[in-house]
Amino acid sequence: DAGVTQSPTHLIKTRGQHVTLRCSPISGHKSVSWYQQVLGQGPQFIFQYYEKEERGRGNFPDRFSARQFPNYSSELNVNALLLGDSALYLCASSQRGQMGYTFGSGTRLTVV
Amino acid sequence: GQQLNQSPQSMFIQEGEDVSMNCTSSSIFNTWLWYKQDPGEGPVLLIALYKAGELTSNGRLTAQFGITRKDSFLNISASIPSDVGIYFCAGQNYGGSQGNLIFGKGTKLSVKP
Repeated sequence: DAGVTQSPTHLIKTRGQHVTLRCSPISGHKSVSWYQQVLGQGPQFIFQYYEKEERGRGNFPDRFSARQFPNYSSELNVNALLLGDSALYLCASSQRGQMGYTFGSGTRLTVV
Repeated sequence: GQQLNQSPQSMFIQEGEDVSMNCTSSSIFNTWLWYKQDPGEGPVLLIALYKAGELTSNGRLTAQFGITRKDSFLNISASIPSDVGIYFCAGQNYGGSQGNLIFGKGTKLSVKP
């Protein structure tokens, strides 16, 4: 079975641009969460979705948004990119959003 | 954002030695988790703890959920070179189809053969 897949794996963007990151959960998993991991730090929670509804939001500005589609895949959007948005963006899926999170390998975003 | 207090920040040990790391929080959690992250990869779950006082093993790894629900430790016995990586603790309070993880800053483990 495929694990959590994220695309693209690497991305370079310019300040002020917009970016969309994509995540496909493990088959049968209905919850997707997004985390930001800055170099040298632990992952920070951004969003959680379950059954296409937002179930949790971390302390991130409104420039960050996400959605979950009927097939349970998800997109994370970031507008007006800042240099500080450079990070590894991780997606995690679980069956019901409570336990058993499996992480993808992440998307490495570099803002220049 | 909130992060747990994880120590030590880094360890450089000889192959075969035992390793101990711990994590503390000012808040209580109903779940403690330990992950390992290799370069270029996402975190991989090593051990999950669901009950205060619980002691759980996974091969050479042993972790405990503190009685106060504010701390946890991870021990690795007889370390080997493939144990190299960054270890993260994470606390979780879940309910109602939600349960975001709060991570520590990580312990970087290096092993000398």
